[in-house]
Amino acid sequence: QSVLTQPPSVSGAPGQRATISCTGSSSNIGAGFDVHWYQQLPGTAPKILIYAITHRPSGVPDRFSGSKSGPSASLVIAGLQGEDEAEYYCQSYDSSLNDWVFGGGTKLTVL
Amino acid sequence: QVQLQESGPRLVKASETLSLTCTVSGGSISSYYWSWIRRPAGKGLEWIGRVFSSGTPIYNPSLKGRVTMSVDTSKNQFSLSLSSVTAADTAIYYCARVAPTSINIGTNWFDPWGQGTLVTISS
Repeated sequence: QSVLTQPPSVSGAPGQRATISCTGSSSNIGAGFDVHWYQQLPGTAPKILIYAITHRPSGVPDRFSGSKSGPSASLVIAGLQGEDEAEYYCQSYDSSLNDWVFGGGTKLTVL
Repeated sequence: QVQLQESGPRLVKASETLSLTCTVSGGSISSYYWSWIRRPAGKGLEWIGRVFSSGTPIYNPSLKGRVTMSVDTSKNQFSLSLSSVTAADTAIYYCARVAPTSINIGTNWFDPWGQGTLVTISS
């Protein structure tokens, strides 16, 4: 059971929009700690996709965006493309556990 | 472009010690914090610990007592040892750099990551 809760899977047709949620609690996201998102393409290492809630590293398309509200965060992928099929993870810090925590991961399928 | 590569035995016997090394290329290991992260089969990612080129490592409290991390600046490598392993320690182990350079635990993320290595604990 991961500290941050993500849906196991999300799907959408090409061109559509997909939203992946990441639900935490008052000791992590709700406490004001940053949320970060990673993309893991099949057979590759996880890659930072969004850091500090809303920031995209250089090279990440602006189709990817992040937001946060209360104890939850969301990753939105607009204009889905086949190359977006991957596993997505959220990450934050938990002050009760005293460590960095992750979500269980969400597998995005582009139909 | 900094790249990380994990190496070490893929099969470890239960009750023994798991040892992995992460080799950093394309940049210096100094002046950064480095972490190990794992993904047990069917579960999410779990942070194991972080280490700097000097100073005391910090470990996930749930693993404390079994984990040791260290840095070898001469080889541009850092390592992980996990003692008294059980089947529950079977996982893909990743090494990663903590970003940005300074530690502010509420804001740090991991970039880049190594490819990961599957370590299986056998009985």
